[in-house]
Amino acid sequence: NAGVTQTPKFQVLKTGQSMTLQCAQDMNHEYMSWYRQDPGMGLRLIHYSVGAGITDQGEVPNGYNVSRSTTEDFPLRLLSAAPSQTSVYFCASSSQNYGYTFGSGTRLTVV
Amino acid sequence: RKEVEQDPGPFNVPEGATVAFNCTYSNSASQSFFWYRQDCRKEPKLLMSVYSSGNEDGRFTAQLNRASQYISLLIRDSKLSDSATYLCVVNAFNFGNEKLTFGTGTRLTIIP
Repeated sequence: NAGVTQTPKFQVLKTGQSMTLQCAQDMNHEYMSWYRQDPGMGLRLIHYSVGAGITDQGEVPNGYNVSRSTTEDFPLRLLSAAPSQTSVYFCASSSQNYGYTFGSGTRLTVV
Repeated sequence: RKEVEQDPGPFNVPEGATVAFNCTYSNSASQSFFWYRQDCRKEPKLLMSVYSSGNEDGRFTAQLNRASQYISLLIRDSKLSDSATYLCVVNAFNFGNEKLTFGTGTRLTIIP
């Protein structure tokens, strides 16, 4: 099993550009989520999904959109990149009470 | 007050020593608890779940104290490979949805 696969691993964007971070899991987990990690802030929840067709906002959703058309995929879209969105982004999936499996992360720099 | 608080460290500990971390949480409705390990520039990985009765996995022991709302991680006979950041994670269920809250992590360096 590949687990949770995130692409790309690195990305540099110019302010105002849009892009999609891809996340796919092959463990048939219902729950998927996106986090960003910034120094001294810990992991903060951006958006999450409890199943195909269902998404909800986390702690820091502004500037991001998600969709969940299949159980496997949970892409994160940056609508108009800003320097404040420079961060490391992690996608995670889980089945209830079994802890989370994280992807290897995407390091995003917005200049 | 942060929902999950950890001492950020760094903890610099000689190889072979025992080290312990504590983590406090503010949401009394929290239902499940975990320790994650994160190596530099890598993703967090589940180290162990934490149960009310306490649990042990080799050199690692986790404890939960619901009354005082803290969890702890004890590492015995520390190895160089234990150097990492340890994240305390608390899971609360709100209207059927999970709310996973991460601490900012405790950085551990094992010194040869």
